Amino acid sequence: GAVVSQHPSWVICKSGTSVKIECRSLDFQATTMFWYRQFPKQSLMLMATSNEGSKATYEQGVEKDKFLINHASLTLSTLTVTSAHPEDSSFYICSAATGGLAVSTDTQYFGPGTRLTVL
Amino acid sequence: GENVEQHPSTLSVQEGDSAVIKCTYSDSASNYFPWYKQELGKRPQLIIDIRSNVGEKKDQRIAVTLNKTAKHFSLHITETQPEDSAVYFCAATPDSNYQLIWGAGTKLIIKP
Repeated sequence: GAVVSQHPSWVICKSGTSVKIECRSLDFQATTMFWYRQFPKQSLMLMATSNEGSKATYEQGVEKDKFLINHASLTLSTLTVTSAHPEDSSFYICSAATGGLAVSTDTQYFGPGTRLTVL
Repeated sequence: GENVEQHPSTLSVQEGDSAVIKCTYSDSASNYFPWYKQELGKRPQLIIDIRSNVGEKKDQRIAVTLNKTAKHFSLHITETQPEDSAVYFCAATPDSNYQLIWGAGTKLIIKP
């Protein structure tokens, strides 16, 4: 149980194009989803927190107009990198939490990640 | 806000020996402390977690201890095996939005 998928697993695009990454919770409903980026040999950097049906909360320094997040359902969140540039190349990982008040339901489950390379 | 520090950044141990990774946190309101294992190019995998109402939790070769007074928690791996080689991250949750504040990670190397 608690499987999170992410698509695509890797993508190469030209500078100036937009890329959409999907994050799906396959066997549970995710009240909250998180988007991270990770540079080589570094920790995960939280970009934004997304609650179903509401606007995402972005971390300081993350441009909301560049990294568009949509969480339209309890099983799907998307991250769109608009007008991508080489410095946006990174490993993007989503995670999902079931939320709720029960003690056991706040664990985050991670997707497999998407390696984005912008040429 | 919450800040999590993790040490050491790299840990090399002989196969069969024990490994200990330590984290400290700053926000006394934090109440959930998971540990994740991440192999190269793969997703972080939850290996064990502990909540603030418990001092210790064990799962086979892995254990986590929590000292709320000192605001630190540790991961203990006994009888280490080659497949334990990975980067380990600790985290703390300071609020009800389940946001995790991450440590910088520890690269664990198991020497054969």
